[in-house]
Amino acid sequence: GESVGLHLPTLSVQEGDNSIINCAYSNSASDYFIWYKQESGKGPQFIIDIRSNMDKRQGQRVTVLLNKTVKHLSLQIAATQPGDSAVYFCAENNNFNKFYFGSGTKLNVKP
Amino acid sequence: DAGVTQSPTHLIKTRGQHVTLRCSPISGHKSVSWYQQVLGQGPQFIFQYYEKEERGRGNFPDRFSARQFPNYSSELNVNALLLGDSALYLCASRPGLGGGANTGELFFGEGSRLTVL
Repeated sequence: GESVGLHLPTLSVQEGDNSIINCAYSNSASDYFIWYKQESGKGPQFIIDIRSNMDKRQGQRVTVLLNKTVKHLSLQIAATQPGDSAVYFCAENNNFNKFYFGSGTKLNVKP
Repeated sequence: DAGVTQSPTHLIKTRGQHVTLRCSPISGHKSVSWYQQVLGQGPQFIFQYYEKEERGRGNFPDRFSARQFPNYSSELNVNALLLGDSALYLCASRPGLGGGANTGELFFGEGSRLTVL
């Protein structure tokens, strides 16, 4: 079955620095990936997505990189702000019915 | 516009009891999915419903069931509760099944936190 894992459970960064959150996936058939942000006591919130026919996609202050060769996904957050403090999940999908989520990385932004 | 709404927000049950969780999707969304999130872990897929039909099921026992109503709202039922069922139950909606020109973005509610004693 699929497994989605994250390299680091907790990441601490200084406000203003860039953050990189990594994710490994195991199902080579997955063709769609999403990053979600979950703040304490709230449901996950969509950040950015990428399809398997792309290797990079940029949003506002965020960039997702996909390396299908090594089945690795990363989320880059530019100029990290205190409001970025949350748990970040990557999720993979291959049929749009079910998403497989990783266990999450907690991002702490130090002022 | 209202987002995905779930009720109740918190509830406490004892082992062996039954629970019903409710979800109202974003207006116009026809697909509803349920996820279980155990503390410290990512959400795990339970069910997806579209147009009142089950379109996907995760690796959960038959104690878990769900349904979708004509107005696209949904219920998740769990029978014979176990301590391990304690979790945050998340409902997510999206306009359709996704794929093709549609994004797969799921719009999540705030969840129902179930504690089983």
